[in-house]
Amino acid sequence: QKEVEQNSGPLSVPEGAIASLNCTYSDRVSQSFFWYRQYSGKSPELIMSIYSNGDKEDGRFTAQLNKASQYVSLLIRDSQPSDSATYLCAVYGGSQGNLIFGKGTKLSVKP
Amino acid sequence: EPEVTQTPSHQVTQMGQEVILRCVPISNHLYFYWYRQILGQKVEFLVSFYNNEISEKSEIFDDQFSVERPDGSNFTLKIRSTKLEDSAMYFCASSEHRAGEKLFFGSGTQLSVL
Repeated sequence: QKEVEQNSGPLSVPEGAIASLNCTYSDRVSQSFFWYRQYSGKSPELIMSIYSNGDKEDGRFTAQLNKASQYVSLLIRDSQPSDSATYLCAVYGGSQGNLIFGKGTKLSVKP
Repeated sequence: EPEVTQTPSHQVTQMGQEVILRCVPISNHLYFYWYRQILGQKVEFLVSFYNNEISEKSEIFDDQFSVERPDGSNFTLKIRSTKLEDSAMYFCASSEHRAGEKLFFGSGTQLSVL
């Protein structure tokens, strides 16, 4: 069984700070990596995708991928209370042809 | 902005009853999926569907489950004889390109089996 692991949190940061969310995956041949945001009682919403090693920036969000370490991270700069949600790491490819989700990290941004 | 639409938003049923959950994927998307999320747990893959047939299914997707695309727009998940443990939020998703890429999720159907 291929796994995606995340610290469940909660991760609490003050408004304006940088939030750092981490994810590891077990299938070395995974190809595509995603971060979804899920507000309580709502569906997952795609916020970032990354396919190659290094950093990818989109506004206040930066995704980082290190395939050698099987590690994906998401940085949220200038965190806002509206960023308070559960962040799901999802991995695609390898021996399983479907998207595998981690359990998510709950982020709380305090005003 | 195009979106995936799911109905109903809530479904309450008695154990042993059949339920059908409905989804309208984004119109130009080719790949369709059902996922479920039991309260407090991770989003779990059930089944993927492409070119009018199942392309992959998980261990959860046993003989009690079936999917269908009855027309050009709807995508349904049927649970033939519901169990208590089927209670969960069921999400439909679709993607434009190859399976697993950039899934867009519907708002979900909360299924409660009593």
